[in-house]
Amino acid sequence: NAGVTQTPKFRVLKTGQSMTLLCAQDMNHEYMYWYRQDPGMGLRLIHYSVGEGTTAKGEVPDGYNVSRLKKQNFLLGLESAAPSQTSVYFCASSSGQGEVDEQFFGPGTRLTVL
Amino acid sequence: GQNIDQPTEMTATEGAIVQINCTYQTSGFNGLFWYQQHAGEAPTFLSYNVLDGLEEKGRFSSFLSRSKGYSYLLLKELQMKDSASYLCAVKDSNYQLIWGAGTKLIIKP
Repeated sequence: NAGVTQTPKFRVLKTGQSMTLLCAQDMNHEYMYWYRQDPGMGLRLIHYSVGEGTTAKGEVPDGYNVSRLKKQNFLLGLESAAPSQTSVYFCASSSGQGEVDEQFFGPGTRLTVL
Repeated sequence: GQNIDQPTEMTATEGAIVQINCTYQTSGFNGLFWYQQHAGEAPTFLSYNVLDGLEEKGRFSSFLSRSKGYSYLLLKELQMKDSASYLCAVKDSNYQLIWGAGTKLIIKP
């Protein structure tokens, strides 16, 4: 099992360009999440999904959109990239069941916006 | 607001014991998590506490006091591979994880 995979691993954008980050999981998890990680700050939740066809806003959703058309995939879109969106983006998934419901993370995407 | 506090960086010696503290103020509490994150890699789950007390898992133990809003992660018999950041996270009343900024642990031989 590959677990949680993310593409691409690295990307450099110019201000105003758009891109889509792809997350895929093969654990049949219901819940999926997009976080960003910045130096000196904790992981911040951008958007999440509790099942196929559903999405919800997290703590820092502005400037991002998401889609969950298939259970195994969760896409994060940047419509018009800004330098403030330079960050490491992590996708995670969890079963949505049980008391612990630990999250499993992908390897991350390092995005630089110039 | 919600807040998770951890020391930014700690240094310890190979073979020794280190305690990493975490204090939290959140809207509701549905469990506390510790994750390990090696540089340039993804966070991986270490431990979970929801009741007061100590949970032991091999060389790692995690303690929780809900009344004090306090947890610690105890690492014994430190190895060089334990050099990493340790992230404390609390599941709030909305069942979302609120994350601390992490503690970078440096192990010296």
